[in-house]
Amino acid sequence: QSALTQPRSVSGSPGQSVTISCSGTSSDVGGYNYVSWYQQHPAKAPKLIIYDVTKRPSGVPDRFSGSKSGNTASLTISGLQPEDEADYSCCSFAGTYTYVVFGGGTKLTVL
Amino acid sequence: QLQLQESGPGLVKPSETLSLTCTVSGGSISRSNHYWAWIRQPPGKGLEWVGCIFDNGDTYYNPSLKSRVSMSVDTSKNQLSLRVSSVTAADTAVYYCARQATLRLNTYKFDSWGQGTLVTVSS
Repeated sequence: QSALTQPRSVSGSPGQSVTISCSGTSSDVGGYNYVSWYQQHPAKAPKLIIYDVTKRPSGVPDRFSGSKSGNTASLTISGLQPEDEADYSCCSFAGTYTYVVFGGGTKLTVL
Repeated sequence: QLQLQESGPGLVKPSETLSLTCTVSGGSISRSNHYWAWIRQPPGKGLEWVGCIFDNGDTYYNPSLKSRVSMSVDTSKNQLSLRVSSVTAADTAVYYCARQATLRLNTYKFDSWGQGTLVTVSS
């Protein structure tokens, strides 16, 4: 069982928006502004798409955005495209004992 | 462009030690000011941080694995290594190495990943 809780799956049609939640505690998501999100296509390595809650690495489309409220972080993908179909995992810094925790991953289906 | 490549046996027997190497190219381990991490993903499951190492050998491990894990770095070869002892079927996973930016850089992220290598624990 993963430390952070994500929905197993979400879906949306091309052009729509979807939001994926990532629930933690005050010891991880709620305690630090160090949430990151990773996109993973089948049999591929994860790719960083959001870090420090809201920041996007260069090259990541601005259709991807991140936010946080309390102990829950969210990834929103607007203007869904077929190539967005992938697994998405959240990650948080969790202090100087646990260090890093991941969510279980959410499968996004573009209908 | 930074590239990471994992290598090692794809099959390990229960109770034995899993050993993997990650070779970094396109950048230097010793001048990056980053940590270098191992992250694993059991088939059909989520990612799990195993631990990380700095170029001076400073290490941090997942508390749940700490008693069985060790990491090392060879800056002359630009390589990092992972050993997991007393493995069981629960250690079967794709193992990734990744560059880890930490609080010393006022951020926290894994921004470059290897392609991963599947290790199966079975007799």
